[in-house]
Amino acid sequence: GDSVTQMEGPVTLSEEAFLTINCTYTATGYPSLFWYVQYPGEGLQLLLKATKADDKGSNKGFEATYRKETTSFHLEKGSVQVSDSAVYFCARRITGGGNKLTFGTGTQLKVEL
Amino acid sequence: DADVTQTPRNRITKTGKRIMLECSQTKGHDRMYWYRQDPGLGLRLIYYSFDVKDINKGEISDGYSVSRQAQAKFSLSLESAIPNQTALYFCATSNTGDNEQFFGPGTRLTVL
Repeated sequence: GDSVTQMEGPVTLSEEAFLTINCTYTATGYPSLFWYVQYPGEGLQLLLKATKADDKGSNKGFEATYRKETTSFHLEKGSVQVSDSAVYFCARRITGGGNKLTFGTGTQLKVEL
Repeated sequence: DADVTQTPRNRITKTGKRIMLECSQTKGHDRMYWYRQDPGLGLRLIYYSFDVKDINKGEISDGYSVSRQAQAKFSLSLESAIPNQTALYFCATSNTGDNEQFFGPGTRLTVL
């Protein structure tokens, strides 16, 4: 079935370090792919998305490229800030499921000074 | 004002009690969802509704029921709460044809 696998956390980085959070998806159809972010005590909010192969989603300095050949959608940021500390979820649209999404297990990021 | 609101934000209850969690939205979206979040498991879909008279089970619907009273309101009920239903519950909405879902702030439920 449709699923998403993302790297386990927690990930701890120093401020201004480079961030990569890996995400791979099952290759059922050509799903839209998403990264959501959850700041402490809040609900999830969409960070970026890509709807077809080779699309690059970007927002707030974060980027992810839809790679069909590797079924991946890795999240990257060149220079993280303390304010980026949050839990990041990779998600894909469920094939034939309307707007339903399936989520990865989440990766906690902690950025320290 | 928040577009998707959930009440209560926190609730502690006892085993066997009936609990209702409520979700309201002002976004005018027709689709609404209930998820639970558990550490290490991410978000799992409980129920979803694509319109007022449409109710569908998600992957973990056992022990839960829902009611879509109006386009803007979607309630989740635990008929007889048990401790393994202790979790963070999120409501979300989306519009037909749009993949993005918008989440409420969550309800933290503890069942003793």
